Amino acid sequence: DAKTTQPNSMESNEEEPVHLPCNHSTISGTDYIHWYRQLPSQGPEYVIHGLTSNVNNRMASLAIAEDRKSSTLILHRATLRDAAVYYCILNSGNTPLVFGKGTRLSVIA
Amino acid sequence: NAGVTQTPKFRILKIGQSMTLQCTQDMNHNYMYWYRQDPGMGLKLIYYSVGAGITDKGEVPNGYNVSRSTTEDFPLRLELAAPSQTSVYFCASKEVGEQFFGPGTRLTVL
Repeated sequence: DAKTTQPNSMESNEEEPVHLPCNHSTISGTDYIHWYRQLPSQGPEYVIHGLTSNVNNRMASLAIAEDRKSSTLILHRATLRDAAVYYCILNSGNTPLVFGKGTRLSVIA
Repeated sequence: NAGVTQTPKFRILKIGQSMTLQCTQDMNHNYMYWYRQDPGMGLKLIYYSVGAGITDKGEVPNGYNVSRSTTEDFPLRLELAAPSQTSVYFCASKEVGEQFFGPGTRLTVL
């Protein structure tokens, strides 16, 4: 799987938008961009994924650069419950997900 | 649906003991995975299965064994436990798209 680069940590104020960046300059044409998050003492949970177009769901939005070499996960209004480690993962087909260290998001009340 | 369930939640083993971590999913998923997560690190793949009777090694398979006799169950066996196997173990399953994770088993080997 192609590698991704994420900042180690980010901080946000509660109720403000958060933009979590991910670089993936070696992405292949068949790689989907997946985002998972891991709340403290829990297993990872799916957030969103996309291929080329921007995607929205009830949890977040995913903005994908036109050349697909970077993407941004957008949390529209951060809450304390959004404090977690966020993983950006490239994956094609049904190969296993490969996790990096992710970005630790802290939310300040 | 219960999703992915794992037992036990916690376990302390002595060096050299053996145990089986249980994983069950009720979503009829063909793909199942075992990961371990050491403190401050991301998840590392131990073994995975693409269907009943089919298993394959991941990144860190040494010291572990798996079997997949049914679609629902994917147990992970530790033989001769070592302190290096102290970790949190996550089981996961998927069919297409979203991968579902269990709550984890926290294992300490002393």
